[in-house]
This record gives sequence, structure tokens and C-alpha cells, in this order.
Amino acid sequence: QSALTQPASVSGSPGQSITISCTGTSSDVGGYNYVSWYQQHPNKAPKLMIYDVTNRPSGVSSRFSGSRSGNTASLTISGLQAEDEAVYYCSSYTSTSTLVIFGTGTKLTVL
Amino acid sequence: QVQLVESGGGVVQPGRSLRLSCAVAGFTFSSYGMHWVRQAPGKGLEWVTVVSHNGRNNYYADSVKGRFTVSRDNSKNIVYLEMNSLRSEDTAIYYCAKDAGGMKYYFDYCGQGTLVTVSS
Repeated sequence: QSALTQPASVSGSPGQSITISCTGTSSDVGGYNYVSWYQQHPNKAPKLMIYDVTNRPSGVSSRFSGSRSGNTASLTISGLQAEDEAVYYCSSYTSTSTLVIFGTGTKLTVL
Repeated sequence: QVQLVESGGGVVQPGRSLRLSCAVAGFTFSSYGMHWVRQAPGKGLEWVTVVSHNGRNNYYADSVKGRFTVSRDNSKNIVYLEMNSLRSEDTAIYYCAKDAGGMKYYFDYCGQGTLVTVSS
């Protein structure tokens, strides 16, 4: 497959929680613990938010968490803040000929 | 602190070649794999290639296989992306990114990117 599947957009109000899904196959998301999530603000480079499905790099807020069920990974953001408004991409190792695959991207709007 | 600075982007005609460079500082370059990731205007991220810490192993996206070559010079702390037979669909911002380890399949630092425009 050419890209992991994410919803095009999600929205939430400040203080609420949202979840972004990332659906792949057993050759990527479901088969390996190498799922990561990136945040990208307009005209900025992507920033790592979650790695190895559930781990958070130092410096990333504990409001961000990752999980997986079968071939679908999820990013949950709790206590939404205005600064969380960005595009979020999932990524995974894949056993196909391409080593790494990204998701289609989800635009988060904080209402 | 970790710094990655890409250069070499510009406007190039279809079928021509271009070489991008990424100069890094702030970490032990020879211990980490290095990726190139691109983003077409208004589109999502696309992984392009990765080179292992010692330069002996590299992998490519199907879309660039056979046309792009990644290499590195650990004595100069630079990673390169040689792009041949360029196509209009290669138009994108190209980011270099530091792998989180020798080959962890994700990156923890990313440069600001360099724009490549393929157009006649």
C-alpha cells in the first residue's frame, strides 16, 4: 500500500480529548512495534511526538499518548490546547520493499 | 544542540540531476542513521530513503529507487542525496532527518528543508 489511512480532519474544543486513527496492515502497523507519530505546524518541520507505538520522547507533553489494536494505531490528545492545532502523521516500519510508510495526515482543529 | 541544515535545492528541468546536502552538528554523526523525507506542495509526508550509520546499508522508496542515491561522509558530518532523472512529481520540500538510533525507523530531529522544483 502507498500510505497508511488516517481521517482527513478531526476537531475538538479546548480541554476536550480527541483520538486520531491510523490504519494499516499486518505488514506494517499490526506486525511491528515501530509506529510513530509526528506533529507538523504550517511551514514547519515535523516533530516526533510518539515512537514505538506508545513511547513519548522527553519534552513532549504527557497529554499525548499512543496505542494500538490490531492493524490500527491511535494517537490521543487530552486536555486540548490551541497550540495542538496542527497536522498529525503516523508512520510505521513496513516489511514491503519500502522500509517506512507514512499516514495520509490528519488536520486537527481546536475550536 | 542538534542542528541539521539542508542545501542544494532549486529549480531543475525534468530529466536533469541535482544533489542535496545536509550538514549536521550537535551529535555523534557516525552513530546514527540518516533519512530523507519529502513533502510535495500542499501534500503529506513521504519517506524517501535512509542510510545506515556507517553508510553500508541504504533503502529507498519505490518511487525513487534506481534514480536517487543516498550517501554520507562521516569525516565531514554531511549526508547527500543525489537525484537523477528528475520528474515533475519529485517537486517537494526535502527534509533530512536524524534516525533515533542506528536504524529505528523513525526520526527525532529534522532540518528545515530545501525546496526542489522540477519544471521546464
